[in-house]
Amino acid sequence: AQSVTQPDIHITVSEGASLELRCNYSYGATPYLFWYVQSPGQGLQLLLKYFSGDTLVQGIKGFEAEFKRSQSSFNLRKPSVHWSDAAEYFCAVGASDKLIFGTGTRLQVFP
Amino acid sequence: GAVVSQHPSWVICKSGTSVKIECRSLDFQATTMFWYRQFPKQSLMLMATSNEGSKATYEQGVEKDKFLINHASLTLSTLTVTSAHPEDSSFYICSARGGGHSDEQFFGPGTRLTVL
Repeated sequence: AQSVTQPDIHITVSEGASLELRCNYSYGATPYLFWYVQSPGQGLQLLLKYFSGDTLVQGIKGFEAEFKRSQSSFNLRKPSVHWSDAAEYFCAVGASDKLIFGTGTRLQVFP
Repeated sequence: GAVVSQHPSWVICKSGTSVKIECRSLDFQATTMFWYRQFPKQSLMLMATSNEGSKATYEQGVEKDKFLINHASLTLSTLTVTSAHPEDSSFYICSARGGGHSDEQFFGPGTRLTVL
């Protein structure tokens, strides 16, 4: 069965600290992988996506993610978190016609 | 570009009434629109996919007579929750795909439905 697991429900970091949000997936074929961010009152915004090629993907707002097929993972990273990064982050797998989302990780940033 | 809006942003209704939620693509033509439902602290669950001018395709377990979807134009899709009950209270999110963005869905801000 296709599924996405985000093991961390809530993460708290200090501003300026590095960040890694975990995502593991189960998918029958070569997956398309996405990371979205959701701020209160706003829609999901695409941070980055992986379809093929280089397994290290650069996204917007200084985020990057690395696809590791052997670990079925697509973890999101940022070297230095800003207070404005506080939001809900969703990992998703699938194609553009059907996305399966993880349960999300809420990021809290302390000054 | 690629902005999707939803209206209303929140709605409160009495049990037994019907509620219509609109999803609009503001700056591109959405050949496909998707409707999701999100419960508190849970993931987005795809309810249905609609292509302009066609009947919507519903995911397993979603009642098509309960959640009526219309995608009559390339910029508008509507979700009508018929005879709403408290268990229908949720956050409904639409997304759209089309134009020059064939490999990405663009999401609306969501609609919070509360059924009393």
